[in-house]
Amino acid sequence: AQSVTQLGSHVSVSEGALVLLRCNYSSSVPPYLFWYVQYPNQGLQLLLKYTSAATLVKGINGFEAEFKKSETSFHLTKPSAHMSDAAEYFCAVSDSGNTPLVFGKGTRLSVIA
Amino acid sequence: GAGVSQSPRYKVAKRGQDVALRCDPISGHVSLFWYQQALGQGPEFLTYFQNEAQLDKSGLPSDRFFAERPEGSVSTLKIQRTQQEDSAVYLCASSPRGYEKLFFGSGTQLSVL
Repeated sequence: AQSVTQLGSHVSVSEGALVLLRCNYSSSVPPYLFWYVQYPNQGLQLLLKYTSAATLVKGINGFEAEFKKSETSFHLTKPSAHMSDAAEYFCAVSDSGNTPLVFGKGTRLSVIA
Repeated sequence: GAGVSQSPRYKVAKRGQDVALRCDPISGHVSLFWYQQALGQGPEFLTYFQNEAQLDKSGLPSDRFFAERPEGSVSTLKIQRTQQEDSAVYLCASSPRGYEKLFFGSGTQLSVL
């Protein structure tokens, strides 16, 4: 069965600094990988997804993630944090897109002015 | 509306009461999902519908949980004889088809006293 581990339940960065949110997965078949963002009192919103095409995936709001099979990782990055990026971020995996998404526990991102 | 709508936004129930949570998906979306999100955790899959057919209910934690989508649109998640461990946010998501891009509602926060 697939699973996701997000390292760090809380990450704090200064405005303008690099954002790095870590995600490692396990899957017995080629995975589909996703990052979702949840702002306070709102539903989860898809940031980006990897579905076996290009390993570097660009998403909304300047975020991107790189699929590294050898490291079973799909870390989320953004070169320069903005105050509006403060939210909860969830990594999720699905076996080839044919099984329900399995989510990590989430990482809360704080951005300090 | 343009998004997934869930009602009520908050629900307080006494232990042993039955509750019904409603989800209005995006018009035309074939797939509908229910997830349970406990405090400090990521969403956990409960059940999946394709149109009116419930294709996967492997995540329902007990036979007290029941979901339906009789006309392939609105869905209701019913919990009978609620217990304190049922306290969580219940998320509904819909997609045009399958698991690749889910649109989430804001959730129903259920508190069982």
